[in-house]
Amino acid sequence: AQSVTQPDIHITVSEGASLELRCNYSYGATPYLFWYVQSPGQGLQLLLKYFSGDTLVQGIKGFEAEFKRSQSSFNLRKPSVHWSDAAEYFCAVGALYGNKLVFGAGTILRVKS
Amino acid sequence: NAGVTQTPKFRVLKTGQSMTLLCAQDMNHEYMYWYRQDPGMGLRLIHYSVGEGTTAKGEVPDGYNVSRLKKQNFLLGLESAAPSQTSVYFCASSPPRDRDSYGYTFGSGTRLTVV
Repeated sequence: AQSVTQPDIHITVSEGASLELRCNYSYGATPYLFWYVQSPGQGLQLLLKYFSGDTLVQGIKGFEAEFKRSQSSFNLRKPSVHWSDAAEYFCAVGALYGNKLVFGAGTILRVKS
Repeated sequence: NAGVTQTPKFRVLKTGQSMTLLCAQDMNHEYMYWYRQDPGMGLRLIHYSVGEGTTAKGEVPDGYNVSRLKKQNFLLGLESAAPSQTSVYFCASSPPRDRDSYGYTFGSGTRLTVV
């Protein structure tokens, strides 16, 4: 069965510092991987997705993620965090033809000034 | 463009009461989903639909029923609410089998409290 693990429940970074959020997945076939962001009281917004090809994918708001098949990881990164990035981030895995996503438990990002 | 609209946004129910959550999308998406979000557990799939008139169970279907009578609407029903159903409910939709557009569009959620 497919699963997603986000090892960090909370992360606090200083504004302007770099960020890496970890995501590990378990999936029997070629995974389709996603990162979503949820601001307080809001729905989830797609940051980026990976299907195939270049293992480094760019998303919105200056985020990027790198797919590493050997490590079953899809970590999210940002070189310089802004206070507005404070939110909860979810990694998800799915199959194109199954069209069901499995989500990780989420990582809450706090940004200190 | 509205995207995915959920109503109501907030609701308080007494144990044993029933209610229906409505999800409407205007993107002509084939697939629709209901998830619940609980602290520390991420989003868990309740039921989903791959087209008008079809529904299927997800990971946590017990205590819920769904209907998809029209392509644009996906209803989630609670027949006899229990405190364990206190949660934030999200509806999502997605187009079918198109890798370029694959990805969910989420509604803004319904916060349900059962007392």
